[in-house]
Amino acid sequence: QVQLQESGPGLVKPSETLSLTCAVSGYSISSGYYWGWIRQPPGKGLEWIGSIYHSGSTYYNPSLKSRVTISVDTSKNQFSLKLSSVTAADTAVYYCARIEMATLYFDYWGQGTLVTVSS
Amino acid sequence: SYELTQPPSVSVSPGQTARITCSGDALPKQYAYWYQQKPGQAPVLVIYKDSERPSGIPERFSGSSSGTTVTLTISGVQAEDEADYYCQSADSSGTYHAVFGGGTQLTVL
Repeated sequence: QVQLQESGPGLVKPSETLSLTCAVSGYSISSGYYWGWIRQPPGKGLEWIGSIYHSGSTYYNPSLKSRVTISVDTSKNQFSLKLSSVTAADTAVYYCARIEMATLYFDYWGQGTLVTVSS
Repeated sequence: SYELTQPPSVSVSPGQTARITCSGDALPKQYAYWYQQKPGQAPVLVIYKDSERPSGIPERFSGSSSGTTVTLTISGVQAEDEADYYCQSADSSGTYHAVFGGGTQLTVL
């Protein structure tokens, strides 16, 4: 059973960098699939942030590309998100998920973690 | 940027059929996927590749595609189906960019 678990600070100050990690169990990241981040502001819809392959190839939402970095650590079977220069608009529940490669759908999701941007 | 358009809300009585649409210019060339999200929970995939149903998803959930519109159909709606539903696709072939629709709140009256 594939399981994903997000972790990281629940509170980030404006202008600082948001950092989250997604630990994967039940499947080796190196075996394939893409791995990605999605966020959901309170009361709003889902927004894809970006995706990464175990080789390190990355794909980012053009609207966030200048502030986003996604990396992978295959030795720890986890991948990470960094979002710089955050504002209150970045307050959201952040989900990590596994992505089917050929057709780009999200088949396994983490439970999500709320990150609030506030001073 | 590429967009997928869904109605904000759909209401249906128990036992009736609910249809939720999703429109996008690239849908004739890209598969669509549907997720169900209940309050406080992560989304769950209910339809993939336009009309395929993952294991464990009830048969009352089905999907179809016609031109630039895909439709999620829930037959014999039950109270437990009340949730937000999101369509998702890719913006165009080769970019590996995922796009979500704005979501539809299904209310079971």
